[in-house]
Amino acid sequence: DADVTQTPRNRITKTGKRIMLECSQTKGHDRMYWYRQDPGLGLQLIYYSFDVKDINKGEISDGYSVSRQAQAKFSLSLESAIPNQTALYFCATSDLFSNQPQHFGDGTRLSIL
Amino acid sequence: QKEVEQDPGPLSVPEGAIVSLNCTYSNSAFQYFMWYRQYSRKGPELLMYTYSSGNKEDGRFTAQVDKSSKYISLFIRDSQPSDSATYLCAMSAVYGNKLVFGAGTILRVKS
Repeated sequence: DADVTQTPRNRITKTGKRIMLECSQTKGHDRMYWYRQDPGLGLQLIYYSFDVKDINKGEISDGYSVSRQAQAKFSLSLESAIPNQTALYFCATSDLFSNQPQHFGDGTRLSIL
Repeated sequence: QKEVEQDPGPLSVPEGAIVSLNCTYSNSAFQYFMWYRQYSRKGPELLMYTYSSGNKEDGRFTAQVDKSSKYISLFIRDSQPSDSATYLCAMSAVYGNKLVFGAGTILRVKS
């Protein structure tokens, strides 16, 4: 089984819909991240969490929210999806001694029509 | 202008070649440098991590940092078809601060 699991892997939805992307990990890491990847732009940090009670905005948090339900679970929500949120979304984890993402999930490809 | 520039490629080389992948950056405060490898339809995986200037070697991979030129490189010796992937550089100024990623270079190693 994968160490970092993202669901769903693919999602097509319509403008204005609420969407939740889920991430679970079996690494036992405290630190979790949500990134967005667009062609030609690299990875951009949306939100990160260093433990269950700690949530921090990244560089592109507008239009997104997150929930850290447990050490192993970190979900990303789009409250009212818009077409320019069409992208590849990655969840990642790192251990207590590392502040750079170490282990990524395989991503969710999200298309908003 | 982007903080981190990376040639998107694709870079196509024959099996066994030495590959050089590069990033340039504009922020002189960057001192933590990383390389990630991303296979198609997969998430990135951390490949190399270096601090400040100098070289770091791990098997067939060598990471090199030249802070005076604001230039980092990843060398792959004896390249294999399994090295075909997108390579992303990333860097930060302060340990624990957010990473700035390059857009990635597509590498294709032909057998």
